Amino acid sequence: LAKTTQPISMDSYEGQEVNITCSHNNIATNDYITWYQQFPSQGPRFIIQGYKTKVTNEVASLFIPADRKSSTLSLPRVSLSDTAVYYCLVGDPPNSGYSTLTFGKGTMLLVSP
Amino acid sequence: SAVISQKPSRDICQRGTSLTIQCQVDSQVTMMFWYRQQPGQSLTLIATANQGSEATYESGFVIDKFPISRPNLTFSTLTVSNMSPEDSSIYLCSVGGSLNQPQHFGDGTRLSIL
Repeated sequence: LAKTTQPISMDSYEGQEVNITCSHNNIATNDYITWYQQFPSQGPRFIIQGYKTKVTNEVASLFIPADRKSSTLSLPRVSLSDTAVYYCLVGDPPNSGYSTLTFGKGTMLLVSP
Repeated sequence: SAVISQKPSRDICQRGTSLTIQCQVDSQVTMMFWYRQQPGQSLTLIATANQGSEATYESGFVIDKFPISRPNLTFSTLTVSNMSPEDSSIYLCSVGGSLNQPQHFGDGTRLSIL
């Protein structure tokens, strides 16, 4: 049973806000929700992590409803350089030191001019 | 954040040969991980490598095929042995996170087997 489910792909235009929703119906009490971004020919890069409610950093916002069975990554005013694959992960927080990350299939975001 | 360097960045190899991939980190880390990313696919964890102990392999990966070394806190190698075309993938190492630093990745080694 997949731990996370996300859209395979999304299209957007420069300047728009993009929201990518991830379903994780079987999230465990201690699981954190983490998003990574991967450009071609590069390793994944950490974007944001959260446990509940809303988290915001300089790159994105993460919205987590009370039941934590889904989460939404929000990218404000995307640019062409935001074209990448976005992975939603649930599990130990990636700053725990011992966590092993389980990647799902990811969402390919294509930003057009 | 720690800087991770992988060598080689890419290689083309003949089937039946073996290749050792190096992962160098510019700071001491306890946990290092090796992942495989097959063409067009997501990342799959191969093994976890702690310094001073044997690597722990995930289901579907065995030490004979993917021997790992972890001689110190800044370095690890992954060998892909007796390669076949099915081993054509990107192999990535990552280092475990800490309180202020999430787990992060090198840029991978793109391996093609003919």
